[in-house]
Amino acid sequence: DAGVIQSPRHEVTEMGQEVTLRCKPISGHNSLFWYRQTMMRGLELLIYFNNNVPIDDSGMPEDRFSAKMPNASFSTLKIQPSEPRDSAVYFCASSRRMAASSWNTEAFFGQGTRLTVV
Amino acid sequence: EDQVTQSPEALRLQEGESSSLNCSYTVSGLRGLFWYRQDPGKGPEFLFTLYSAGEEKEKERLKATLTKKESFLHITAPKPEDSATYLCEDDKLIFGTGTRLQVFP
Repeated sequence: DAGVIQSPRHEVTEMGQEVTLRCKPISGHNSLFWYRQTMMRGLELLIYFNNNVPIDDSGMPEDRFSAKMPNASFSTLKIQPSEPRDSAVYFCASSRRMAASSWNTEAFFGQGTRLTVV
Repeated sequence: EDQVTQSPEALRLQEGESSSLNCSYTVSGLRGLFWYRQDPGKGPEFLFTLYSAGEEKEKERLKATLTKKESFLHITAPKPEDSATYLCEDDKLIFGTGTRLQVFP
């Protein structure tokens, strides 16, 4: 298996522009997670899906952020309009985890998208 | 609010100098504590899952242990290739900020 695939690896955009990050999870995994990583705050969960359905988006910082999972093999994270403070590395992860009150199965991460908003 | 705290933030070791990394958590009734390794420019890579207090798991020079309030990642006789950031995560999907380990030859 190729693992979790994210694109693009790097994105530089101007403030105010729309940014779309893409993720292909590992086949057979039923949960998908979007994380953001910065030096100041570490890894933060933005949103997770179970069986393509958004379960918890409480980590999404603002309405400028949105995520979709139209099918089991594809998800997008969109930022519109982008701002310099959105600059970070965004990771997608997938897992066989079941949506429950807590998780007990590991996640597999992609290589990340380094976003720079100037 | 549940928290995961890792210490130290950074650790420099000489090759062969054993040490331990700490991960403390506040969630009650923990059902899983995860350790990951992250190399620069890459995503976290899974190392271990610990399910209950007293459990231990080993992989090469690494051994992870779990108590009711914290977990330790013991590194025995580390090598330069063990240099990375080590992250722990609780079962509420909360990550610690990591320990950046550097092992010098």
